Amino acid sequence: SQELEQSPQSLIVQEGKNLTINCTSSKTLYGLYWYKQKYGEGLIFLMMLQKGGEEKSHEKITAKLDEKKQQSSLHITASQPSHAGIYLCGAAVLSNAGGTSYGKLTFGQGTILTVHP
Amino acid sequence: KAGVTQTPRYLIKTRGQQVTLSCSPISGHRSVSWYQQTPGQGLQFLFEYFSETQRNKGNFPGRFSGRQFSNSRSEMNVSTLELGDSALYLCASSFGHEIYSPLHFGNGTRLTVT
Repeated sequence: SQELEQSPQSLIVQEGKNLTINCTSSKTLYGLYWYKQKYGEGLIFLMMLQKGGEEKSHEKITAKLDEKKQQSSLHITASQPSHAGIYLCGAAVLSNAGGTSYGKLTFGQGTILTVHP
Repeated sequence: KAGVTQTPRYLIKTRGQQVTLSCSPISGHRSVSWYQQTPGQGLQFLFEYFSETQRNKGNFPGRFSGRQFSNSRSEMNVSTLELGDSALYLCASSFGHEIYSPLHFGNGTRLTVT
C-alpha cells in the first residue's frame, strides 16, 4: 500500500517567518491533496495538485508537486497565528485494477504547526 | 452553501453497545466517505458510498457498516463496541464522478467507548 511521510512532524515558528512542509510518497503520486485541521475538528481542504510540476497558491500558502521525486511541498509565506494547526497531505489511492479508488485517500501522519505571535 | 454536517458531535458509549453516526453531505454531492482518526493510526479509510452503493471499503472488521440513502445522506454503524473504537469519525463528501474530486470533510463525531 502507498505510504506518505510528512516532515517535519512538528514545527514552531515566530510570526512572520516562512516555512515549508514536505510530503513524500513511497509510490507515484496521482492527485495530492493538502488539508488543514484544527485539533478535534474536521479537515479543511486547501488545494489539490494533479500534474508533475504543478503549483497552486491560496493566499499565503503555495503547494508544489514534484512527480519525479514523488514529493509535494507546502510553503507558507509570512506565517501568522491563524496558520497554526495540523497540516495533512493525502494521496489518491490506486486500486488493484490500476484505477483510482473513489473517496479513498491515504494520509500522512500530519505536521503540527505552532506560530508564536 | 452549507458544508458537511455530522451528528452528533460527541458520543459516549459502553463496551458492547452499538452506535449510529449520521452525515449529511454538501448539496449536490453524491459520494460520501467515512474515515476514522486516532492518535496512533492517524486517518484510516472506512468505506465510500455513491448513489446508495458501497464502491470502496477499507480494512475494518464487519462490525463497521454503513449505508447511504436516496438523498445522499449516510449513516455509519458500529456494533459490539470495543475500547479501541474510541476515535474521531469523519465523513467527507464529493461529487464522486470525477477521479480527482476533492473531499470536503465535516467536523466529525467524537466517540468515546468506556
